[in-house]
Amino acid sequence: DAKTTQPTSMDCAEGRAANLPCNHSTISGNEYVYWYRQIHSQGPQYIIHGLKNNETNEMASLIITEDRKSSTLILPHATLRDTAVYYCIVRVGGSQGNLIFGKGTKLSVKP
Amino acid sequence: DGGITQSPKYLFRKEGQNVTLSCEQNLNHDAMYWYRQDPGQGLRLIYYSQIVNDFQKGDIAEGYSVSREKKESFPLTVTSAQKNPTAFYLCASRKQGSSTDTQYFGPGTRLTVL
Repeated sequence: DAKTTQPTSMDCAEGRAANLPCNHSTISGNEYVYWYRQIHSQGPQYIIHGLKNNETNEMASLIITEDRKSSTLILPHATLRDTAVYYCIVRVGGSQGNLIFGKGTKLSVKP
Repeated sequence: DGGITQSPKYLFRKEGQNVTLSCEQNLNHDAMYWYRQDPGQGLRLIYYSQIVNDFQKGDIAEGYSVSREKKESFPLTVTSAQKNPTAFYLCASRKQGSSTDTQYFGPGTRLTVL
C-alpha cells in the first residue's frame, strides 16, 4: 500500500470549511484513497473514499488531483463536533488484510 | 440497529492475569480485526480473521490470542505474556468480497493493567 503524508495538526474556525490535505505520490492505479476520523476515545469512523473522481456524501467531499498524487478532504461547514484526528489511507480495492493507520491530522475546530 | 459492540468500555486487571475482550457484530460481515492504539499513536493490527475458524497474526500478535467460532464474535485474550498490555483496543469488521475496503469499528475497550 502506498504511503501517505499528512500535516500533524490544523485549526479551523467553526462554520468555515476545513480542508485537510494528504499526499500519496506513490499511489498505484488500483489503489483507493480512504478517509477515516477518530474522535477522542472512540473507534475510527469511515468518512469517504474515492479512486479517481471527486466524491461527495453527507459528511464530506473528497477532491483527488488529476495525477492522483494528492487529495483533500473538505468538511464544508465545520462544527465543534468535527474536532478529531483524520486519517488518510491508500490501499488496493478489495484487498484483504488490515488498514494501515498513521498518526493522521489532528483537526481542532474553534469557536 | 446494526453495528459492532465491544465490552466492557473500561477494564482493569492486575498484572499477570489473562483478560478477554469481547467483540460482537450483527452486520453479517465476514472479516473481523483487532487493533491496539497507544496514546498519540495510530492503530496497530493484532489479529484478523476472514472466515469462521480461521485467523491470522497481525503486526503485534505476541502475547495475544483470538478465536473465531462464530461469524458474529471475535474475542481477544490478552495474556500474561503481553509485556505492556495497557492500551485502547479496537475491534472492526469488513464485508468480504467488496470492491472497496471500508471497515466499521466498535467503540473500543480501554484496558488498564495495575
